[in-house]
Amino acid sequence: GAVVSQHPSRVICKSGTSVKIECRSLDFQATTMFWYRQFPKKSLMLMATSNEGSKATYEQGVEKDKFLINHASLTLSTLTVTSAHPEDSSFYICSMGGDTDTQYFGPGTRLTVL
Amino acid sequence: DAKTTQPTSMDCAEGRAANLPCNHSTISGNEYVYWYRQIHSQGPQYIIHGLKNNETNEMASLIITEDRKSSTLILPHATLRDTAVYYCIAPSSGTYKYIFGTGTRLKVLA
Repeated sequence: GAVVSQHPSRVICKSGTSVKIECRSLDFQATTMFWYRQFPKKSLMLMATSNEGSKATYEQGVEKDKFLINHASLTLSTLTVTSAHPEDSSFYICSMGGDTDTQYFGPGTRLTVL
Repeated sequence: DAKTTQPTSMDCAEGRAANLPCNHSTISGNEYVYWYRQIHSQGPQYIIHGLKNNETNEMASLIITEDRKSSTLILPHATLRDTAVYYCIAPSSGTYKYIFGTGTRLKVLA
């Protein structure tokens, strides 16, 4: 399967700062990318879907101005958490998909906001 | 997405087969069934997927009932490293969106 990387793997920031998380495909061109959030002992929750060159589509309840998604190319997507607050602390996971339903997930980024 | 239902947890003895069931009674004819697993603090790992026929790969086997309303993931010889949360997903064809349920927490016991 495709190899997907995320950077950083963990980040600690102060409240009010912004954090950017990168998601890269190392061997796969992804037409669709997804961002998920996972709280402790909970399942993954889809935040948004993005296609290259298009604006991201956000799930209900996810603030698009707070979670900025840029699908820069077929191999790179970024998620920026703006003005982070402690309640944004979570495990953020990206995935990439092509022309089928199969998604390949990154290893995740653990964000802690102090 | 077809809603999927899985048992919350299961135990399996090391070396034995682990059979993980999934109910997807509302699945439509062109929707695949996907299985992923998530080991603690990692991203989900793809295991296998199928539409109608049973499938097998180096990781597992997938048995889909004839009416497609349920499926079973089989890990033929479970090891301690197979301890994880296993998710069964049936995404709506064309949307490519995954809706994760609670999954089954499989614990392989020595």
